[in-house]
Amino acid sequence: AQSVTQPDIHITVSEGASLELRCNYSYGATPYLFWYVQSPGQGLQLLLKYFSGDTLVQGIKGFEAEFKRSQSSFNLRKPSVHWSDAAEYFCAVQNQAGTALIFGKGTTLSVSS
Amino acid sequence: NAGVTQTPKFRVLKTGQSMTLLCAQDMNHEYMYWYRQDPGMGLRLIHYSVGEGTTAKGEVPDGYNVSRLKKQNFLLGLESAAPSQTSVYFCASSRGQGFYNEQFFGPGTRLTVL
Repeated sequence: AQSVTQPDIHITVSEGASLELRCNYSYGATPYLFWYVQSPGQGLQLLLKYFSGDTLVQGIKGFEAEFKRSQSSFNLRKPSVHWSDAAEYFCAVQNQAGTALIFGKGTTLSVSS
Repeated sequence: NAGVTQTPKFRVLKTGQSMTLLCAQDMNHEYMYWYRQDPGMGLRLIHYSVGEGTTAKGEVPDGYNVSRLKKQNFLLGLESAAPSQTSVYFCASSRGQGFYNEQFFGPGTRLTVL
């Protein structure tokens, strides 16, 4: 069965430091992968998505993610974190039927000054 | 464009009461979804619709019903609310499958069942 694992429940990063949020997926074929961000009290907003082509994808707000088929991973990165990046981040993969997304349980990012 | 809107934003129910949550989208999207979000559980799909007049069960459909009578609206009903249904409910819509399955989310409805 398809699944998404986000191993880190909570991460704290100093402002200005780099960030990497991990995501591992279980999927037989080439997956459609997404990263969403949820600010407190808000809905989810798409950061970036991947299906094929260049394995490094750029998103909004300075985020990027790298698809590694050999590791079944789609990790999210940002070179320099800002206090406004504090939020919950969700990785998702489209199901095989193409009808829905399967979400990970999320990683909460805190930014310290 | 308003995007995806949800009504109401907050609601408190007593056990056994019924209610309907309304989701509306103005992007002419074919697909619409209802999720619930609980602490430590991420988002879990309740029901979804791949077009007007069609609905299907998701991961956690028990205790909920849905209807998609108009393309732009997707209703989620609780016939007899239970405390276990206390959650934040999100509606989302997408243009279609695959790369077009970027889902746009509403702001959420916080439901408390006493």
